[in-house]
Amino acid sequence: TQLLEQSPQFLSIQEGENLTVYCNSSSVFSSLQWYRQEPGEGPVLLVTVVTGGEVKKLKRLTFQFGDARKDSSLHITAAQPGDTGLYLCAGGGAGTYKYIFGTGTRLKVLA
Amino acid sequence: DTAVSQTPKYLVTQMGNDKSIKCEQNLGHDTMYWYKQDSKKFLKIMFSYNNKELIINETVPNRFSPKSPDKAHLNLHINSLELGDSAVYFCASSQGPLRETQYFGPGTRLLVL
Repeated sequence: TQLLEQSPQFLSIQEGENLTVYCNSSSVFSSLQWYRQEPGEGPVLLVTVVTGGEVKKLKRLTFQFGDARKDSSLHITAAQPGDTGLYLCAGGGAGTYKYIFGTGTRLKVLA
Repeated sequence: DTAVSQTPKYLVTQMGNDKSIKCEQNLGHDTMYWYKQDSKKFLKIMFSYNNKELIINETVPNRFSPKSPDKAHLNLHINSLELGDSAVYFCASSQGPLRETQYFGPGTRLLVL
C-alpha cells in the first residue's frame, strides 16, 4: 500500500518566518501534487511536479520533487496569515487513475 | 457560476437511515470522484467515474453506491448509515482520468447520531 507521510503534522509560526513541509514515501510516484485546503472548503491545487529533481515556484512558495520521485517539499518564504490552512501532498502512480493523499500539515501563521 | 457543487452542505441523521449526496460540475469534465475526509483530515478516494463508467472502486462498504446519470453528475447513496460514516465527503472533477488537475466541491459534512 502506498503511503505518503507529511511532516510536521502541525505548525504554528509568526508572520515573516520561513517554513518547510515535507512529504515522504517509500514508493515512487510518477507525479506529485500539492493542495491547500481552507476551513469549510475543498482542497485547491497549488502545483504538480512530474520530473525527479524538479523545482517550481509560485510567488513565495517553492516546491521540489525528490530526485528519486519518492518525496517532495514545500518551502514558504516570509509566511503570511493568508498562508494558513491544511497543506496536502498527493502522489500519482504509474498505471493508476488515482492520487494517494498525504497525511496533511496544518499550518497557522500568526499576525 | 460554481464549478463543482454539492448538496446538501450539512447532513445530520440517525444510525440506520439511508441518505444521498448529490454532486454537479459545470466544467465540462469527463471524470468525477468521491472522497472521504475523516476527522484527522485524511483524504481518501472512494470512487471515480469517467464518462459515466466506474474506473475507481476502492475498498468501501457496499452500503455506499455511486451513480452517474450523466457526465456532469455523480451522486452517492449510503444505506444503513453507521456512526463511522461521519465525515466530510468531497466530490471532485477533472478533465480526464489520467491524474489531471482535480477541482473539488465544498464538501458535505455528514454526522450520524
